[in-house]
Amino acid sequence: DTAVSQTPKYLVTQMGNDKSIKCEQNLGHDTMYWYKQDSKKFLKIMFSYNNKELIINETVPNRFSPKSPDKAHLNLHINSLELGDSAVYFCASSQGARNTEAFFGQGTRLTVV
Amino acid sequence: GENVEQHPSTLSVQEGDSAVIKCTYSDSASNYFPWYKQELGKRPQLIIDIRSNVGEKKDQRIAVTLNKTAKHFSLHITETQPEDSAVYFCAASMGNFNKFYFGSGTKLNVKP
Repeated sequence: DTAVSQTPKYLVTQMGNDKSIKCEQNLGHDTMYWYKQDSKKFLKIMFSYNNKELIINETVPNRFSPKSPDKAHLNLHINSLELGDSAVYFCASSQGARNTEAFFGQGTRLTVV
Repeated sequence: GENVEQHPSTLSVQEGDSAVIKCTYSDSASNYFPWYKQELGKRPQLIIDIRSNVGEKKDQRIAVTLNKTAKHFSLHITETQPEDSAVYFCAASMGNFNKFYFGSGTKLNVKP
């Protein structure tokens, strides 16, 4: 009965590889997000989709490409991974895209070696 | 863009004492201010939020105050308990697509 679930929970990979993180929510929400939390715990938004349409695209390297096949899913693909990509990536969802609570997934800890 | 500053970065209190965490924001257009709690190794979870048309909101031991003129808002936790130990994040949003600007977090340690 997990509300927002991400896979995998841990991901260790070598520099230069391509990897994907998947996210699914069963809350019936229409808006989904990707956040990055760095080693200093700083949370920063990367992308947001509302009804499968991209509505927030922060200054993120174009090696990061989100994809939303439907309202319940938002995946993140990362090409040519770099050491600086190591972080915890959180998926989140909300009902509506203005001033509403965001429900976070459990996070994916990505380690690039 | 919006800039949210949060203080202190760490806070240690004795069980039963009160804890106060303060945030300032830069953009007067911000109108929604949520607070999230993140326990070690877990996901951030909303604990309370306030909108700009309200000056104070309370939920049991937790309260948030907002001063729009000074552009700052604060989280108050009374009668702290060990399970309150976590990292707390404030955030501000202008209502544009839930684009939250988070503070840098406060690690609260409640000593039994």
